[in-house]
Amino acid sequence: DSGVTQTPKHLITATGQRVTLRCSPRSGDLSVYWYQQSLDQGLQFLIHYYNGEERAKGNILERFSAQQFPDLHSELNLSSLELGDSALYFCASSVDRAGKLFFGSGTQLSVL
Amino acid sequence: GENVEQHPSTLSVQEGDSAVIKCTYSDSASNYFPWYKQELGKRPQLIIDIRSNVGEKKDQRIAVTLNKTAKHFSLHITETQPEDSAVYFCAASISNFGNEKLTFGTGTRLTIIP
Repeated sequence: DSGVTQTPKHLITATGQRVTLRCSPRSGDLSVYWYQQSLDQGLQFLIHYYNGEERAKGNILERFSAQQFPDLHSELNLSSLELGDSALYFCASSVDRAGKLFFGSGTQLSVL
Repeated sequence: GENVEQHPSTLSVQEGDSAVIKCTYSDSASNYFPWYKQELGKRPQLIIDIRSNVGEKKDQRIAVTLNKTAKHFSLHITETQPEDSAVYFCAASISNFGNEKLTFGTGTRLTIIP
């Protein structure tokens, strides 16, 4: 167990809908990263938050947004869902911006 | 942006033999190169990493080498064991803070044949 908690583990929804994925980092970790893993594209970096502030963006769609709350948990919001958004979404945390990454077990999103 | 290519996509190795996975990166400013192992149905886990001021790093049966001139780095696993079977991802980052904007390779599925 990495200490990073992601909920829910599985999510099935329909096209056009909106979902929220939640991540609780390891105790003491200030950085939270979100990644998308699909079969054909591997692990894609989406966004990074450090101590409540957005620090870096990757190839994150405008339909996606995220935030990190004062208690350091983070949420990834996906809206106007499309079939192609079906993927495994990982959250990872680290103690700062350079420390070892610890991944959560992921949320498997299926858009039907 | 950074582009990381990883080869081979699949690799089968007899137990006890060595396995080598290679990655190339495009941005010469990249300075941090971690390797992650993902077992079936599980989360990625960091197994070793190297920074651009180091040419080689070892940790028991695992080693990583970096050639900055050629912009490639490799993972070497010696005396392979069945538990080494997994998907391995290389990654590269140009951030001064290491983990920011990590660009991952597409992965290598390593199978150890008993």
